[in-house]
Amino acid sequence: DGGITQSPKYLFRKEGQNVTLSCEQNLNHDAMYWYRQDPGQGLRLIYYSQIVNDFQKGDIAEGYSVSREKKESFPLTVTSAQKNPTAFYLCASSRTGDPNQPQHFGDGTRLSIL
Amino acid sequence: GQQLNQSPQSMFIQEGEDVSMNCTSSSIFNTWLWYKQDPGEGPVLLIALYKAGELTSNGRLTAQFGITRKDSFLNISASIPSDVGIYFCAGQRGGSTLGRLYFGRGTQLTVWP
Repeated sequence: DGGITQSPKYLFRKEGQNVTLSCEQNLNHDAMYWYRQDPGQGLRLIYYSQIVNDFQKGDIAEGYSVSREKKESFPLTVTSAQKNPTAFYLCASSRTGDPNQPQHFGDGTRLSIL
Repeated sequence: GQQLNQSPQSMFIQEGEDVSMNCTSSSIFNTWLWYKQDPGEGPVLLIALYKAGELTSNGRLTAQFGITRKDSFLNISASIPSDVGIYFCAGQRGGSTLGRLYFGRGTQLTVWP
């Protein structure tokens, strides 16, 4: 089945540690996105990438980093500089240049601080 | 970053009732999308709207792209318990920000049997 796979489903981090969230898609989509969701909030854009080896900051990029070495993969690292990392993280993908192809989402990773 | 104004924030209705929610923006969007999110899962696309004035249905769901391109609404008719969840609107501008979505804060829907 084609889709977006996020792993792990749940992740726990100690203070001062970096953690990496995985996002893989087999939809042959060019563009990939990372969002953060907090209770009662909409989705806020962290980073996005429209093509391999290129990415742009979203609205809340501080304390996060990404890479896009392969079309299928867009991992997100939550660094120790992110002071409030507890949230639900969602990855999405879409076909670039085609406005009739909206974003589709993975099932998310819930990150908690120990 | 811009967020859309989505209302109401929450709704508590009885099974069989109709539901209406809307989204407004101070700027124009080329595409409006409506997603539903179940607890612990990612949002699932319900309806996509691509043209001002467009009215689109998906089963019991109907959504419209406002004529000014600054608003959209979603109606659910004859609600059922599985309609429970959070509904999000999202707008897309296109151009240099192609693909980027701006989201409302969501409408939490509770349906009583």
